[in-house]
Amino acid sequence: GAVVSQHPSRVICKSGTSVKIECRSLDFQATTMFWYRQFPKQSLMLMATSNEGSKATYEQGVEKDKFLINHASLTLSTLTVTSAHPEDSSFYICSATAGPYNEQFFGPGTRLTVL
Amino acid sequence: AQKITQTQPGMFVQEKEAVTLDCTYDTSDQSYGLFWYKQPSSGEMIFLIYQGSYDEQNATEGRYSLNFQKARKSANLVISASQLGDSAMYFCAMREGTRGNQFYFGTGTSLTVIP
Repeated sequence: GAVVSQHPSRVICKSGTSVKIECRSLDFQATTMFWYRQFPKQSLMLMATSNEGSKATYEQGVEKDKFLINHASLTLSTLTVTSAHPEDSSFYICSATAGPYNEQFFGPGTRLTVL
Repeated sequence: AQKITQTQPGMFVQEKEAVTLDCTYDTSDQSYGLFWYKQPSSGEMIFLIYQGSYDEQNATEGRYSLNFQKARKSANLVISASQLGDSAMYFCAMREGTRGNQFYFGTGTSLTVIP
């Protein structure tokens, strides 16, 4: 199946700093990528849809100035958590659509801890 | 209304036995896709099986099969011959339309396989 990588896998930062998370499609091109947030023992919450060459589409309640998304190429989307606060601590996971069923292939996720 | 409902927060199964994880969905679209994903403790989301709304036969993929009952709007996952490595969270998801990108996820079921 299609492979999606995510970097870093784990990051710890101080409150007030910005953190960038990269999502790459390794063996296919992805015009659309998705960013999810997952709290412990809960389901995935779609944050935004990242579109190559255009602005991301954010879900209701997600601050676009807080969570900056850049999809500069067909294989790379980045999520930047700006001025991070402890409540931003979470598991962030990206995905891209590929395959015969148009299924979503997920990256391994990034665990963000804001101190 | 919830698009995807998983009513079993936790399930236990004896090793080598079969287990059924429930999933019901809500859509007015005629064309849609149903997916099951496995999320082990490492956090990665692993695609397991797909069922299209027009597929007449239940999907099967190795030890995984999908019990698709369209009239009841249910898409239960059956895991046969459970293995210890099957212990994980399992998420049911739906995509409306044939090429729509957004996935709706259920709240998940935590499966524990008992030796």
